[in-house]
Amino acid sequence: GAVVSQHPSWVICKSGTSVKIECRSLDFQATTMFWYRQFPKQSLMLMATSNEGSKATYEQGVEKDKFLINHASLTLSTLTVTSAHPEDSSFYICSAQTTQGTDYEQYFGPGTRLTVT
Amino acid sequence: QKEVEQDPGPLSVPEGAIVSLNCTYSNSAFQYFMWYRQYSRKGPELLMYTYSSGNKEDGRFTAQVDKSSKYISLFIRDSQPSDSATYLCAMARNKLVFGAGTILRVKS
Repeated sequence: GAVVSQHPSWVICKSGTSVKIECRSLDFQATTMFWYRQFPKQSLMLMATSNEGSKATYEQGVEKDKFLINHASLTLSTLTVTSAHPEDSSFYICSAQTTQGTDYEQYFGPGTRLTVT
Repeated sequence: QKEVEQDPGPLSVPEGAIVSLNCTYSNSAFQYFMWYRQYSRKGPELLMYTYSSGNKEDGRFTAQVDKSSKYISLFIRDSQPSDSATYLCAMARNKLVFGAGTILRVKS
């Protein structure tokens, strides 16, 4: 099956610093990758849609200057949380859609738990 | 009103029980309906997807969609302790919209 990895799996950083999270599709090419955020006992909230070679599309209410997304290749997308604050602490999950995929054929990574102190 | 409503539980059942998980939705534009399983500190794993109203069966899992009532269900037969997880319903038009997830605990 399609495998998506994320790195790191967890990270602790100080307030004001930036953190980069990587999302890789290991055995397929992903033209589209999605970034989600999940708070404890809450649903996954789509933050942005990332297409290879073009600018990401952000959901309403998501600050594009704070959550920088780069989809440089068909197997790698990165999310950088800039000037992180404690309220940015959350579980960040990426998913990847294959070139032949439809809306629902998204394969999820294992998630990255970010704690900002 | 949320687009997708799902009871967060937790739902606790004995091993071998039949489990029923449900979601309701408000947007009739949703075309695809999915169920994901998410273990603690892991990403969601796709269990079932359906496109039209009716039932779809895969092993111990049955997904049911009633578009007229805007209601979907996931049934798990012969539940096992390994089924203990959070189950998320999701619906798609041009993006996935998730329910809050129901925590399921199967006791041995």
